[in-house]
Amino acid sequence: AQSVTQLDSHVSVSEGTPVLLRCNYSSSYSPSLFWYVQHPNKGLQLLLKYTSAATLVKGINGFEAEFKKSETSFHLTKPSAHMSDAAEYFCVVSGYAGNNRKLIWGLGTSLAVNP
Amino acid sequence: GAGVSQSPRYKVAKRGQDVALRCDPISGHVSLFWYQQALGQGPEFLTYFQNEAQLDKSGLPSDRFFAERPEGSVSTLKIQRTQQEDSAVYLCASSFRDSLSQRFFGQGTRLTVV
Repeated sequence: AQSVTQLDSHVSVSEGTPVLLRCNYSSSYSPSLFWYVQHPNKGLQLLLKYTSAATLVKGINGFEAEFKKSETSFHLTKPSAHMSDAAEYFCVVSGYAGNNRKLIWGLGTSLAVNP
Repeated sequence: GAGVSQSPRYKVAKRGQDVALRCDPISGHVSLFWYQQALGQGPEFLTYFQNEAQLDKSGLPSDRFFAERPEGSVSTLKIQRTQQEDSAVYLCASSFRDSLSQRFFGQGTRLTVV
């Protein structure tokens, strides 16, 4: 079975400082992993995904994540936070049920960016 | 259309009332997914369609929940005899091909049962 744990429910950073959102996963096989962002009153948007290619994945808006199998982690980072990054972030692992790839979602991390 | 469109954006229902939530996927997208997102939680899978066929409905919480996609495009999620625990944001997503393709999400319908 697959599961995902987001280690922080809330992260607060100052504008211009680095962002780190932590995610650990559990999977019985090599997983696909995703980060989604949800801005208030907007739909979920895919930031980046890992599908067994390069372990360092670059996404949109300057975000990137590194797949570390030994640590079962897929932390999301950004060198310099911008005010517009304030949102809810979800770490997601894929699982299979029959012929349907299901997305298993973490509980989310709320990112606040202070001026 | 340009993106996944859901209507209504907000719905307030009295307990026991039936509701219908609509999802217009991106034109040409084969797969359609419904999720339920409770306050402070991540989305939980409800059901999955490929064209008009409902391939997976294992996430529907009770027989009060029913989803259909009769012509393989627009989908409706119906909740009968709503209960307070049904209060949540209901998200719809579509993808171009099957469940392996990238999913595009709508803004959701926030249902409040009073």
